[in-house]
Amino acid sequence: DQQVKQNSPSLSVQEGRISILNCDYTNSMFDYFLWYKKYPAEGPTFLISISSIKDKNEDGRFTVFLNKSAKHLSLHIVPSQPGDSAVYFCAASEGGSNFGNEKLTFGTGTRLTIIP
Amino acid sequence: ETGVTQTPRHLVMGMTNKKSLKCEQHLGHNAMYWYKQSAKKPLELMFVYNFKEQTENNSVPSRFSPECPNSSHLFLHLHTLQPEDSALYLCASSLVGGNEQFFGPGTRLTVL
Repeated sequence: DQQVKQNSPSLSVQEGRISILNCDYTNSMFDYFLWYKKYPAEGPTFLISISSIKDKNEDGRFTVFLNKSAKHLSLHIVPSQPGDSAVYFCAASEGGSNFGNEKLTFGTGTRLTIIP
Repeated sequence: ETGVTQTPRHLVMGMTNKKSLKCEQHLGHNAMYWYKQSAKKPLELMFVYNFKEQTENNSVPSRFSPECPNSSHLFLHLHTLQPEDSALYLCASSLVGGNEQFFGPGTRLTVL
């Protein structure tokens, strides 16, 4: 049973426009959410995160929105650039003790292609 | 070297071989992780180490044997693997209690 779902395996967006990547989750205990970006032949790199006490977090061209009631989060990239072409993974954790590791549960990823 | 490094980057092995994957982190972290990524599946957590102690074994078959001699190094020893074990194996590190994990480039493993 997949607790983190990215239902769009791929997305194509024109350069300069907004890219919106979506993620849904089923575990109501998740309280911290992350987006990772992965280029071919490289490991995932951390992009942006959001705690469940917030509904929005912005970092430059990247903004993550969290809708707890809908158990949905989205990543907005604006304006989209060719270098943004990559696979984007959504991940979630249950938080908990400050002494334990935060186990991350990942989605299957969305391949974003920016068209010049 | 910076970040998280993994060697080898590619490995082809037979089912009767014994091989090891190596991971090293240069970030001063104290937690390390092994993940498996198979085609069309999400990353699956395999093992977690905090301060060199294993704190998580996510029902991984015993043909995978991790070793963490210190907070900077992590190994995955492989023995009598099956073709379905072919996947990308990713190592990551973080601070204990930290949400943000930093990944290495992965080892692409093919079992013949």
